[in-house]
Amino acid sequence: DSGVTQTPKHLITATGQRVTLRCSPRSGDLSVYWYQQSLDQGLQFLIQYYNGEERAKGNILERFSAQQFPDLHSELNLSSLELGDSALYFCASSVSGRVGNEQFFGPGTRLTVL
Amino acid sequence: QQQVKQSPQSLIVQKGGIPIINCAYENTAFDYFPWYQQFPGKGPALLIAIRPDVSEKKEGRFTISFNKSAKQFSLHIMDSQPGDSATYFCAAWGKSTFGDGTTLTVKP
Repeated sequence: DSGVTQTPKHLITATGQRVTLRCSPRSGDLSVYWYQQSLDQGLQFLIQYYNGEERAKGNILERFSAQQFPDLHSELNLSSLELGDSALYFCASSVSGRVGNEQFFGPGTRLTVL
Repeated sequence: QQQVKQSPQSLIVQKGGIPIINCAYENTAFDYFPWYQQFPGKGPALLIAIRPDVSEKKEGRFTISFNKSAKQFSLHIMDSQPGDSATYFCAAWGKSTFGDGTTLTVKP
C-alpha cells in the first residue's frame, strides 16, 4: 500500500458526460501527479501540482482539468467524454515535486466510457 | 513524439535467467531515470533509479546500466523468479516521461 488513495475504483459512464476523479496524496507529500494509462499508449503524464499550484503540464487535453485543494487532495475533471478516454487514471504523490523525489502511485481509477 | 523508447514489448524467460529491458531517450535535459514495476490491478511502484553521472547502479537483483553518450539505459534482473513477472516501465524525469512498458513473464 503506497499511502495514496484514489476514488472511485471503477467508473462507467456515457459519451458526452463529465466525471471527477479524486486523489489523496500520502501524508506529508505536497506534490500530486496525474497519469493516464491506456492499453496502446502506456503511461502518459497529464499534469502535476505542487502545494496547490500547477507545476508542470503534459499531454492533458483541453477537455480535462485538475486542481489541488488546500488540504492537498486533488481532483481530475474529465468532460465531454469520448470512447477513447476509457483508461486507467493514476494519481501519484511525492514529497516536494523535485526531480529525483520518488513518486508513489495510487491504485488507479478505471474509467469506462460507453 | 515519443521521448522514451522501450524494448522489447514483451519478454519470456526461464527462472534463473537474466531478462534485459532497454530504453532510449532523446532529450538530453532528462536527469533522472527510474524504473517502475507494475503488477496487474496495481499502480506502478519504484524499483530502482539512476542519475546520468553514474554508469551502473545495483540494488539486490536489479541493475541499471546507463550509457549517457548513447542516451540509452537498461534494466537487468539477475536470477529472475516467477514473482518478478510484471510489467516494467522505464521513465525519464525532467518531465515525467514513461516508456510503453515491457511485460515480463518468468517461467518456473
